[in-house]
Amino acid sequence: QVQLQQWGAGLLKPSETLSLTCAVSGGSLSGYYWTWIRQPPGKGLEWMGEINHSGSTNYSPSLTSRATVSIDTSKKQLSLRLTSVTAADTAVYYCARGVIAVAARFDSWGQGTPITVSS
Amino acid sequence: EIVLAQSPGTLSLSPGERATLSCRASQSVSSNQVVWYQQKPGQPPRLLIYGASSRATGIPDRFSGSGSGTDFTLTISRLEPEDFAVYYCQQYGRSPTFGQGTKVEIK
Repeated sequence: QVQLQQWGAGLLKPSETLSLTCAVSGGSLSGYYWTWIRQPPGKGLEWMGEINHSGSTNYSPSLTSRATVSIDTSKKQLSLRLTSVTAADTAVYYCARGVIAVAARFDSWGQGTPITVSS
Repeated sequence: EIVLAQSPGTLSLSPGERATLSCRASQSVSSNQVVWYQQKPGQPPRLLIYGASSRATGIPDRFSGSGSGTDFTLTISRLEPEDFAVYYCQQYGRSPTFGQGTKVEIK
């Protein structure tokens, strides 16, 4: 069964860059879209962007200029960089596996990484 | 961007009762792109229903999904204590979006 383990610095100052990594174990990278999703405190879920094993990416229009999702297939890790963070980027960040064959869904999720942006 | 509106915002019910959650899309969505998740405090979302009506592995049959076009429904036939949580619908188009959630709370 696939497992996603994520980590990254939890406290940032405004204008700094958020960096998160998600390690995939127990399954292949191929055939899936590896995704970052965030959830501000007490709010709903926001899809941020995705990447497949070939490195093809898609981003939320609201984040295109600040977000970068990358993948290291040799380490089976995906990463998220978000530049110029503000308090509005405070959220729990999740990595997830996107299945797009037949019926699309996010079927496996990381444990979540809480990120706080504060001066 | 496809906007998903969930209703009601909060559903207050007792164990054993039936829960009906609605998700309305701002434009038509293919049924094979409609998903429902359950989330409990401090946990990531858990996949319940995909393809509008297919239960994910290990999901009890008291959970069912239906709908087409712009209107989709998640039904919990008889609420168990562990079902009290927040439920999100999602559409998995080119730019996936989520509804704002429905909280099912104990009455």
